Amino acid sequence: AQTVTQSQPEMSVQEAETVTLSCTYDTSESDYYLFWYKQPPSRQMILVIRQEAYKQQNATENRFSVNFQKAAKSFSLKISDSQLGDAAMYFCAYGQGAQKLVFGQGTRLTINP
Amino acid sequence: KAGVTQTPRYLIKTRGQQVTLSCSPISGHRSVSWYQQTPGQGLQFLFEYFSETQRNKGNFPGRFSGRQFSNSRSEMNVSTLELGDSALYLCASSLRHANTGELFFGEGSRLTVL
Repeated sequence: AQTVTQSQPEMSVQEAETVTLSCTYDTSESDYYLFWYKQPPSRQMILVIRQEAYKQQNATENRFSVNFQKAAKSFSLKISDSQLGDAAMYFCAYGQGAQKLVFGQGTRLTINP
Repeated sequence: KAGVTQTPRYLIKTRGQQVTLSCSPISGHRSVSWYQQTPGQGLQFLFEYFSETQRNKGNFPGRFSGRQFSNSRSEMNVSTLELGDSALYLCASSLRHANTGELFFGEGSRLTVL
């Protein structure tokens, strides 16, 4: 069974600084997708960024980028120029095929003004 | 366009009762998934429906069931409620069955079992 591990329950960063959230996963599959979802205090989960395993190029979305290391099964999220609105729970997720995502336990990110 | 709508947002039940939660996906989305979120277990996949058929099921007891209607709206039911069923139940919809795209989540239904 696939597993996703986020080893940092909590992280904090100063506004405008850069922070990296860690995620590792375990799978025997070669084709899959990895996601970072954000869950603000309002609770609605929002997709931040996704990565297809077959793509070697790391995905980027504005201030958000990933470091995808397939061999190491590592998928970290870098947030540049952190903003107060980035404060949330961040979940790393693995998906393969259907909609069944496997989520990590989450990292609570605090932005200090 | 309107997002994923879940009702009710909050509800309180007692042990042994049953509960039905509703989810209206984004217009045009035919795939609906349900997740249970608890502080201890995190986010766990319950089941997924596409075209009124259950396509995937997570590792939950038979007390948890669901269905999807022809308009893609979905309901999940939990019978004989237990204290451990207290959780935030999240519904997510997407355009396609295959997990190649983005899941759009609702705000959830917060169930408290007393």
